[in-house]
Amino acid sequence: AQTVTQSQPEMSVQEAETVTLSCTYDTSESDYYLFWYKQPPSRQMILVIRQEAYKQQNATENRFSVNFQKAAKSFSLKISDSQLGDAAMYFCAYRADTGTASKLTFGTGTRLQVTL
Amino acid sequence: GAVVSQHPSRVICKSGTSVKIECRSLDFQATTMFWYRQFPKQSLMLMATSNEGSKATYEQGVEKDKFLINHASLTLSTLTVTSAHPEDSSFYICSVPGLWVYNEQFFGPGTRLTVL
Repeated sequence: AQTVTQSQPEMSVQEAETVTLSCTYDTSESDYYLFWYKQPPSRQMILVIRQEAYKQQNATENRFSVNFQKAAKSFSLKISDSQLGDAAMYFCAYRADTGTASKLTFGTGTRLQVTL
Repeated sequence: GAVVSQHPSRVICKSGTSVKIECRSLDFQATTMFWYRQFPKQSLMLMATSNEGSKATYEQGVEKDKFLINHASLTLSTLTVTSAHPEDSSFYICSVPGLWVYNEQFFGPGTRLTVL
């Protein structure tokens, strides 16, 4: 079974600084997708960034980027120029490439605080 | 991204009663929907996969007779918590997979259930 591990229950970053959230996963599959979701206090799950395992290039979305190390099964999220609105729970998630109905497996989450 | 609605957003009920939660895919038809449960300060745990036209697929440890799922149409799935007890109090979230295999899942805003 696939597992996703987030070893940092809480992280704190100052506004405008950079922070990296860690995620490791375990799978025997070669094709899969990895996601970072954000859950603000409203509890609405919001996609931050997506990475296809077959792509060597790391995904980027504005201030958000990932460091995808397939051999090490590592998928960290870097948030640059942190803003107060970035404060939220962040969940790393894995999905096998077995079709649109394949399940998401979530990590335990990292709570990010952004301070002035 | 796709819009997914849930109703109600909050519900309070007495112990022993049943509660129905609706999940609607507003942008496209969905043959599959997912139901998650989230306890405070914890991650999302997949409860079941709702399948249009067939029985839901439940995760290990989830009581089928307690959490009844009906995928009534291609845009509507319902989760009924039968004979609810205080330990069923939680945040319930549904999601709809995207149309393409590389898509993320689109999440509803969640339903907070409190059983007195």
